[in-house]
Amino acid sequence: QIQLQQSGPGLVKPSLTLSLTCGISGDSVSSKSAAWNWIRQSPSRGLEWLGRTFYRSKWHNEYALSMNIRITINPDTSNNRLSLQLSSVTPEDTAVYYCARGTGNSPGQYYFDYWGQGVLVTVSS
Amino acid sequence: QSVLTQPPSVSGAPGQRVTISCTGSSSNIGAGYNVHWYQQFPGTAPKLLIYDNNNRPSGVPDRFSDSKSGTSASLAITGLQAEDEADYYCQSFDSSLSGWVFGGGTKLTVL
Repeated sequence: QIQLQQSGPGLVKPSLTLSLTCGISGDSVSSKSAAWNWIRQSPSRGLEWLGRTFYRSKWHNEYALSMNIRITINPDTSNNRLSLQLSSVTPEDTAVYYCARGTGNSPGQYYFDYWGQGVLVTVSS
Repeated sequence: QSVLTQPPSVSGAPGQRVTISCTGSSSNIGAGYNVHWYQQFPGTAPKLLIYDNNNRPSGVPDRFSDSKSGTSASLAITGLQAEDEADYYCQSFDSSLSGWVFGGGTKLTVL
């Protein structure tokens, strides 16, 4: 049974870096068939895919164009988890952040089949 | 403004059939990319409902089905039940954005 357990602070000050982790059980962050994603949800922006990390002979990271400069997703193979760092946050980054497993044979067949419980992150001074 | 457009709300009486539309463009649904659907209850994470052309994860009843034509897709729910009251989201890939996109969500109310 695959489970994703998220952790991290619920409050971040503007201009600082948001950091979250997602622990994986029942699968491996180094899986050669899945990818590990961060997705956020807010009333103003809806559900928004942020980026992913995956292993196919080597590690790959892909980020949403809107996030590219500020986002870093890292796998932690020792602890079987992944992390999200989003720098220079503003109140617009206030959202519920989810990690999710993605699977599919091509980008057009890719979907998110397991989700973490979500963490509400508020950006405020 | 979401890349995929869904009606904000739909409603139906128990036992009825409802459909939820998801309208995209030539860079996502119209390009032939699959559409997937999620169900979300308040305060919980989205749950995969339908994937890859009418496939349902274990435990999802066959009252849920989907279809696609041109730049649009639809989720159909037959034999509506009170427990179906939730938010529903479509998702696809967008080649212009080089990433995965979601609809704005549709709130289903069971009357």
